[in-house]
Amino acid sequence: AQSVAQPEDQVNVAEGNPLTVKCTYSVSGNPYLFWYVQYPNRGLQFLLKYITGDNLVKGSYGFEAEFNKSQTSFHLKKPSALVSDSALYFCATPNAGGTSYGKLTFGQGTILTVHP
Amino acid sequence: KAGVTQTPRYLIKTRGQQVTLSCSPISGHRSVSWYQQTPGQGLQFLFEYFSETQRNKGNFPGRFSGRQFSNSRSEMNVSTLELGDSALYLCASSLGLAGRSTDTQYFGPGTRLTVL
Repeated sequence: AQSVAQPEDQVNVAEGNPLTVKCTYSVSGNPYLFWYVQYPNRGLQFLLKYITGDNLVKGSYGFEAEFNKSQTSFHLKKPSALVSDSALYFCATPNAGGTSYGKLTFGQGTILTVHP
Repeated sequence: KAGVTQTPRYLIKTRGQQVTLSCSPISGHRSVSWYQQTPGQGLQFLFEYFSETQRNKGNFPGRFSGRQFSNSRSEMNVSTLELGDSALYLCASSLGLAGRSTDTQYFGPGTRLTVL
């Protein structure tokens, strides 16, 4: 089955420290990978995506993600965390196999808490 | 550009009733996808519409249905509501061009449905 997994339910980091939210994937063919963020009682906001090219993808709000084919990972990173980064983060892939129109398959989500 | 809008934002219904949710995509986007978000099951794909045609469908019972209008606005309907249908229902829009599973989906704020 084609999927993404987020191995950590929660990540805690101090403000100003670097943060990493992990995602691993299991897809056939060229992997396409997305990161979204969800604030309480809000929809999902797009952060960045990997389609092809550079393994380091830069996105919104200072976030970036590193695609690693050998480790089948696509970890989200930020050099210096802000309290306002506290939210629920999702990794996703449209590589569902077969008919994939309009379908994203999501990881289970990681709650990021940034402490002052 | 205006973002994806969803109405209503909150709904309370009782078991056995039916409900209709509405989604207006970003101008120029022709694809609308619907997702159900619950604490237990996470984000699950319901269906996708493009040019008034359903192109893809998730594993949900026939009580869940949708449609898309010529202006790309979409509605989803849930008939004979069950307690387990309580969830945040999210719609997302994208360009949806054929073969372009890499198009970014932009999400609305969601409709919070509570079934009593």
